[in-house]
Amino acid sequence: ETGVTQTPRHLVMGMTNKKSLKCEQHLGHNAMYWYKQSAKKPLELMFVYSLEERVENNSVPSRFSPECPNSSHLFLHLHTLQPEDSALYLCASSRGLAGGLESGELFFGEGSRLTVL
Amino acid sequence: AQRVTQPEKLLSVFKGAPVELKCNYSYSGSPELFWYVQYSRQRLQLLLRHISRESIKGFTADLNKGETSFHLKKPFAQEEDSAMYYCAPEGNNDMRFGAGTRLTVKP
Repeated sequence: ETGVTQTPRHLVMGMTNKKSLKCEQHLGHNAMYWYKQSAKKPLELMFVYSLEERVENNSVPSRFSPECPNSSHLFLHLHTLQPEDSALYLCASSRGLAGGLESGELFFGEGSRLTVL
Repeated sequence: AQRVTQPEKLLSVFKGAPVELKCNYSYSGSPELFWYVQYSRQRLQLLLRHISRESIKGFTADLNKGETSFHLKKPFAQEEDSAMYYCAPEGNNDMRFGAGTRLTVKP
């Protein structure tokens, strides 16, 4: 498997459930990102990790909890979500941190389509 | 505040016609500028970046620092160019995307 892989591709959960989204990249990149793509809103940057450290948190509610155990894996833990959290969640990676000297382009996964009932 | 604006949500042209997708940005400093594209049933991917100054699939983008614009252009649109296009300035620690323009090229 090459590139950025996201699992599951589809997830349906109730508001009281706890679930996790997983992202894996085999590109040797040092930065990883979570974006939210809703039907009627632009792509929203949620979290940014560089070398496993979180460097950006764009006022995301605490019911979303990211985890980056190593530079190849990124998780988004979900707990007590709301129906308005239903969206496509995209993971991306880049060689270096955006805005840095080695940033490069972002490589995206296919996304995890989340539906909150 | 960092902001990127793509004023047209939808753009429709006939095959062979010129096309221009507009992007205006408001960013502190001098961001690096990108255009990303998402074809039907494919993942979001890079189309071109300003620093490379390349023409990709016949598309070019000119940075106008005075107008803070980075419009995407192609002189002769093809049906396979139909897709969603996103302008993305890269700032410190993040890359933010415009709302996107859906381009439809009709035969």
